Amino acid sequence: SQQGEEDPQALSIQEGENATMNCSYKTSINNLQWYRQNSGRGLVHLILIRSNEREKHSGRLRVTLDTSKKSSSLLITASRAADTASYFCATVDPGAGSYQLTFGKGTKLSVIP
Amino acid sequence: DGGITQSPKYLFRKEGQNVTLSCEQNLNHDAMYWYRQDPGQGLRLIYYSQIVNDFQKGDIAEGYSVSREKKESFPLTVTSAQKNPTAFYLCASTTGGGNQPQHFGDGTRLSIL
Repeated sequence: SQQGEEDPQALSIQEGENATMNCSYKTSINNLQWYRQNSGRGLVHLILIRSNEREKHSGRLRVTLDTSKKSSSLLITASRAADTASYFCATVDPGAGSYQLTFGKGTKLSVIP
Repeated sequence: DGGITQSPKYLFRKEGQNVTLSCEQNLNHDAMYWYRQDPGQGLRLIYYSQIVNDFQKGDIAEGYSVSREKKESFPLTVTSAQKNPTAFYLCASTTGGGNQPQHFGDGTRLSIL
C-alpha cells in the first residue's frame, strides 16, 4: 500500500523561484527519503532524513521532518529549468520489513525558463 | 562506472506470452528490488531479494516471478497470468536495507501487442 502522499500533485513555477513540496504519511517510520525522476528515467536519490532528525540540507535542497504531524517538506531554492521532474517521498515502516520502501504518487514540478 | 543496467528499454508482449526483464548491477549490493510504475502513479513493489537464492513478495507479486541465482542479477518474468502488464518497470538495489538509499536503473517500458 502507498503510505506517502505528496502535495501538490503538480507545481509550475518560474526559474529562480523556490519550490516547496509536501509529503504526509500514516504510520511510524525509520526514515523518509526524497527521490527525483526525470521523464522516462529511473529515480535518483536526493536526501534521506532519519526519524530523529528535524532538518537536513544538501546544496539547494532543504528537507524538514515533523514526526508529530507525520509530514515532511522538500524545498528547492533558486529553481532551474533542469529541476523539472517528478519528486517522490518514500518511507521505511519498521513494522513492514526494514527492506521495504513505500512511495507516494509524486509531485510533478515544471520550472519555466 | 558502477550502476544498474536494465534491458531491454522497450518490450512488447503478445497474448499468452511470458517475457523476462533483465536487471544487472555491479555495485556489489546485497538487496535488489522490482517496482511497477503506472502513469502518474508512484512505485509499487513487486518482489525484493535481500540475499542470493532468497526473495520476498511485495504488494503486487501476482502474475510475476523472479530468481536470484547471482548477486548481481535479478531478472523479472511477467507471466501470462498478469492480465494488465502495460507499465514502466524499475529495478533498484541497495547495500543496507531500508536505511540506505536505493539506486535505480533506467527502466523497461512493457506494452501489449
